[in-house]
Amino acid sequence: DAKTTQPPSMDCAEGRAANLPCNHSTISGNEYVYWYRQIHSQGPQYIIHGLKNNETNEMASLIITEDRKSSTLILPHATLRDTAVYYCTWGYAGGTSYGKLTFGQGTILTVHP
Amino acid sequence: DSGVTQTPKHLITATGQRVTLRCSPRSGDLSVYWYQQSLDQGLQFLIQYYNGEERAKGNILERFSAQQFPDLHSELNLSSLELGDSALYFCASSVGFGETQYFGPGTRLLVL
Repeated sequence: DAKTTQPPSMDCAEGRAANLPCNHSTISGNEYVYWYRQIHSQGPQYIIHGLKNNETNEMASLIITEDRKSSTLILPHATLRDTAVYYCTWGYAGGTSYGKLTFGQGTILTVHP
Repeated sequence: DSGVTQTPKHLITATGQRVTLRCSPRSGDLSVYWYQQSLDQGLQFLIQYYNGEERAKGNILERFSAQQFPDLHSELNLSSLELGDSALYFCASSVGFGETQYFGPGTRLLVL
């Protein structure tokens, strides 16, 4: 199984961009990179995912390196409500027989006023 | 709100007992996944169902079982409960398999 590595914690000032890195050097070519976040003990919230191109949605941007060994989640203007545990994970692209997600320990992002 | 519902929100029971957790997927989703989140093990995949059939198994104990019904809701049955089964149990759903999963609010189980 592929494995992801994230820093255990990061801080960010409110209004600034938060850049959360993830190393997934063992990911294979048909596996998407997914980002979720979990606020307190709520259910994980989907943020964004990508295969090899950079992606952007209303919540965040995802930058994937050309060799696909790492990625960065960017929250362009962090707010206090973005304080959460952020998980970088991976899942098989559509068309395969199953789609379980494998979660690591994640990064605790704390946004300060 | 992800559209995935789980009941009950909280459950307190005693060791040796059996409980059933229920999950209703988002409208149109055929896949249901169960995850367990404990303090020492983190968020772990248990089992996946797709359109009523089991598709993948993770670290699910033999004391645990699940099923997905024709209306696509799913139940996770936990029996012979032990203290170590105390955890948050999340259900997620997706349109098919290998597609984006959306998580429910979870059921917090406390075994005393």
